[in-house]
Amino acid sequence: GAVVSQHPSRVICKSGTSVKIECRSLDFQATTMFWYRQFPKQSLMLMATSNEGSKATYEQGVEKDKFLINHASLTLSTLTVTSAHPEDSSFYICSAAVGYYGYTFGSGTRLTVV
Amino acid sequence: GQNIDQPTEMTATEGAIVQINCTYQTSGFNGLFWYQQHAGEAPTFLSYNVLDGLEEKGRFSSFLSRSKGYSYLLLKELQMKDSASYLCAVRDLSLNKFYFGSGTKLNVKP
Repeated sequence: GAVVSQHPSRVICKSGTSVKIECRSLDFQATTMFWYRQFPKQSLMLMATSNEGSKATYEQGVEKDKFLINHASLTLSTLTVTSAHPEDSSFYICSAAVGYYGYTFGSGTRLTVV
Repeated sequence: GQNIDQPTEMTATEGAIVQINCTYQTSGFNGLFWYQQHAGEAPTFLSYNVLDGLEEKGRFSSFLSRSKGYSYLLLKELQMKDSASYLCAVRDLSLNKFYFGSGTKLNVKP
């Protein structure tokens, strides 16, 4: 089946630094990927929709200059958290549309900013 | 916008049946999905409904009524491993987006 590989699974960074999270579709081409953030005991909140070859579309309240998304190829989308702060600590997860109604998720990245 | 509601938490007994409800309001509905998520892990797909009616997959069934903006996930013969959060998600095709409800934490007790 369709697999999305997400790396890293866990990262700890210092406040003020930037962190890049990668999502790769391994056996299919993903023209669209979705990036979510999940705080403890809360549901997945859509941050942005990443489209191959064009600019990402961000949900209201999500700072596009802080959460940089790049979808340069049909198999890779990246999310860079710039100038990270402790409040950015969260579980970040990507998802790709597979066919008409299928969606598959990456394994998630636990970001801790200290 | 999207408005997806689920109960926050439910408790059921091993071997029993539990129904988790989801109501939604969306501008461009094109499918309702149910996912299971264990703590700290990615969601895993359970079921998908785009037409009204019941979809059955083993111990899990999902129902959809588009006119009522309502769905439920039915879990039969509950097992301890079914303790997890269950997420209702709606695809809005007009916006090409996929939105999740707040999730229902299911506690299965012996």
